[in-house]
Amino acid sequence: SQQGEEDPQALSIQEGENATMNCSYKTSINNLQWYRQNSVRGLVHIILILSNEREKHSGRLRVTLDTSKKSSSLLITASRAADTASYFCATDDQTGKLIFGQGTTLQVKP
Amino acid sequence: GAGVSQSPSNKVTEKGKDVELRCDPISGHTALYWYRQSLGQGLEFLIYFQGNSAPDKSGLPSDRFSAERTGGSVSTLTIQRTQQEDSAVYLCASSLFFEETQYFGPGTRLLVL
Repeated sequence: SQQGEEDPQALSIQEGENATMNCSYKTSINNLQWYRQNSVRGLVHIILILSNEREKHSGRLRVTLDTSKKSSSLLITASRAADTASYFCATDDQTGKLIFGQGTTLQVKP
Repeated sequence: GAGVSQSPSNKVTEKGKDVELRCDPISGHTALYWYRQSLGQGLEFLIYFQGNSAPDKSGLPSDRFSAERTGGSVSTLTIQRTQQEDSAVYLCASSLFFEETQYFGPGTRLLVL
C-alpha cells in the first residue's frame, strides 16, 4: 500500500518564485526524505528530516514535518529553471524500506 | 568515488523471455535496494539486502521475480517469463547502513514486447 501522497500532482511557476509541495503519509516513521528526479541526474536524495525534527533547511530548501498530522512540506525558494523535476517524498516504514509517493512534477519557466 | 551503476541501461525483450538486471552498489555500502518505476509513477519497492541478513522480499510482485546479492556487493534482479506489465524502469539504490540515505543508480529501462 502506498505510504506517501503528494500534492499537488503538478506545479508550474516562474523563475524566482517559491514552490511548495506537500506530502502526507499513513504510518509511524523514523524519517522522511525528499528526492528529486530529472532526466539529467536521475533520482537524487535532496533532504532528510528525522521524526523528532520539525524543520530543516538546506540551501534554498526548507522542509517541515508535522508528525501529528502525518504530513510534510517542501519549500523551494527563489526557484530556478534547473529546479524543474519531479519531487518525491519517501518515508521509511520502520523495516528499512522506503515508500515513495507518486510525486509532484515541478516546472519552472525561465 | 563512483556511484551506483546499473546494466544494461535499456533492455527490450519478448514476452515470455527471462531477463537479468545488474546493479553495482557504491563500494562499502552494506544495504542494497531494488525498486520499480512505471511510467509517470512513483517508485515501488521490490526487495532489499542488508549485510548478511536474509533479504526482505516483501515487495516482489510475483514468484517470477527473484534477486540475489553475491559477496555482499553486486546484485542481480531476475525476471522470468516476462510479461508486458513488467515494462518499467528498474532502479537500484545502496546506502552505507540500513535506514540511511539511499543513492540511486541510473536505472534499467525494460520494455517487454
